[in-house]
Amino acid sequence: KNQVEQSPQSLIILEGKNCTLQCNYTVSPFSNLRWYKQDTGRGPVSLTIMTFSENTKSNGRYTATLDADTKQSSLHITASQLSDSASYICVVSAKSSASKIIFGSGTRLSIRP
Amino acid sequence: GAVVSQHPSRVICKSGTSVKIECRSLDFQATTMFWYRQFPKKSLMLMATSNEGSKATYEQGVEKDKFLINHASLTLSTLTVTSAHPEDSSFYICSASRGRDNQPQHFGDGTRLSIL
Repeated sequence: KNQVEQSPQSLIILEGKNCTLQCNYTVSPFSNLRWYKQDTGRGPVSLTIMTFSENTKSNGRYTATLDADTKQSSLHITASQLSDSASYICVVSAKSSASKIIFGSGTRLSIRP
Repeated sequence: GAVVSQHPSRVICKSGTSVKIECRSLDFQATTMFWYRQFPKKSLMLMATSNEGSKATYEQGVEKDKFLINHASLTLSTLTVTSAHPEDSSFYICSASRGRDNQPQHFGDGTRLSIL
């Protein structure tokens, strides 16, 4: 069964600190993995997208890693800011005729001043 | 960057009303559009996938007669919630894609639907 599991479910850190969010998946055949940021009451915004051959991708203070062998990805946020408070969603696409897209349940990140 | 516009952003209406939500890709041709439903503090749940000019593909458990999807052009898809009831109250989000696997989906800002 294709699944995407994220951890932790929620996280609170102080402004300026770093944090790492995890995503484990059992999607096959794998096509790509994306990280999205979703502010409350808004639609998700793409942060990174990685294919099988890519193991790291950066977007400003966001760095995503991918280990296709262990089927794990992480999103590292450096020097967190109050505006980083949001839900972070890991999305994995399966390469199939239906092009299945599987969403993780997200990590709710709160940055405290 | 790519922009997807979703309208309206908020709807409050009486039970039994049909509600139409529009999703437009403003600066690219979206061969594929997706409709999602999101409950509070939960992730997005895919309802259906629509390709321009063809019938939408609905996920298991989603009533196609309840949630009518039309993708008449490469820039517009609509979701109509027919005869809405309070249990249909939710946050509905659309996304658009150029259709190739490695292309990111671009999401609209969602529609908050409240049925009284």
